[in-house]
Amino acid sequence: DTAVSQTPKYLVTQMGNDKSIKCEQNLGHDTMYWYKQDSKKFLKIMFSYNNKELIINETVPNRFSPKSPDKAHLNLHINSLELGDSAVYFCASSPNILTGNTGELFFGEGSRLTVL
Amino acid sequence: LAKTTQPISMDSYEGQEVNITCSHNNIATNDYITWYQQFPSQGPRFIIQGYKTKVTNEVASLFIPADRKSSTLSLPRVSLSDTAVYYCLVGDRVSGSARQLTFGSGTQLTVLP
Repeated sequence: DTAVSQTPKYLVTQMGNDKSIKCEQNLGHDTMYWYKQDSKKFLKIMFSYNNKELIINETVPNRFSPKSPDKAHLNLHINSLELGDSAVYFCASSPNILTGNTGELFFGEGSRLTVL
Repeated sequence: LAKTTQPISMDSYEGQEVNITCSHNNIATNDYITWYQQFPSQGPRFIIQGYKTKVTNEVASLFIPADRKSSTLSLPRVSLSDTAVYYCLVGDRVSGSARQLTFGSGTQLTVLP
C-alpha cells in the first residue's frame, strides 16, 4: 500500500493552461504539505494543511490554490501555467505539525510538471 | 532560523563508512536534527533524527556534539544503492513555521564500485 500517493506522476502542458495535482495519504495523519523542488534540488515548502485548515501559506503566486476536502487529501490547482512553474511537486504528510509532529515527513513520489 | 550548510557532493567506495557533516550554528534550544535520503525520481525518505549525543538505528548513526552546532550522519559500509542526495533539516518538532520545513540543497553522495 502506498502511504502517500500523488497523481499524475508526469504532466506536460502548454503555458497558460490550468492543471491539478492530487494527493492522498492513508497514514491517518492530520497534516499534509505541498513542496516544490527546483532543478537545484532545493525543496521549498509551499503550503501546509492541518485537519483541512491552511496553516502555512508561503510566498507563492495566487495562481497556486490548494484544496483539502478532508484530512487525507490535499490537491494543488495551478492556473495560467508559466515556464517557471516547471518543477517536481511533492506532497507529504506528518502526524500533526501543531501538537505532536515527530519530525518525520512522509513524501509521495512526486509529480514532474513541464510547462512548454 | 537555524540555516544548515552541507557539502554539495561526496564520493565514496563500496564497503567504506561515509560521514556527512551538516553545520547549523544558529540551532535553537527546541530544535531537532533530522536527516533525509532522496533517490532520483522519488520523494525524500526519513533516515534518522536526534537532539544530542548519539542516535543509532538499523540504517545509520547520528553524532551530535555537545554544542549542537553541527551533526554528522554516518553510513556504515555503504553500497552502490546508497547513492542518493542526503538532506539535513533542523527545526522544532512542533512547528507552524515554514522556515523550519524548508530543506537545503543537500549532499549528493556517489558510491563507486
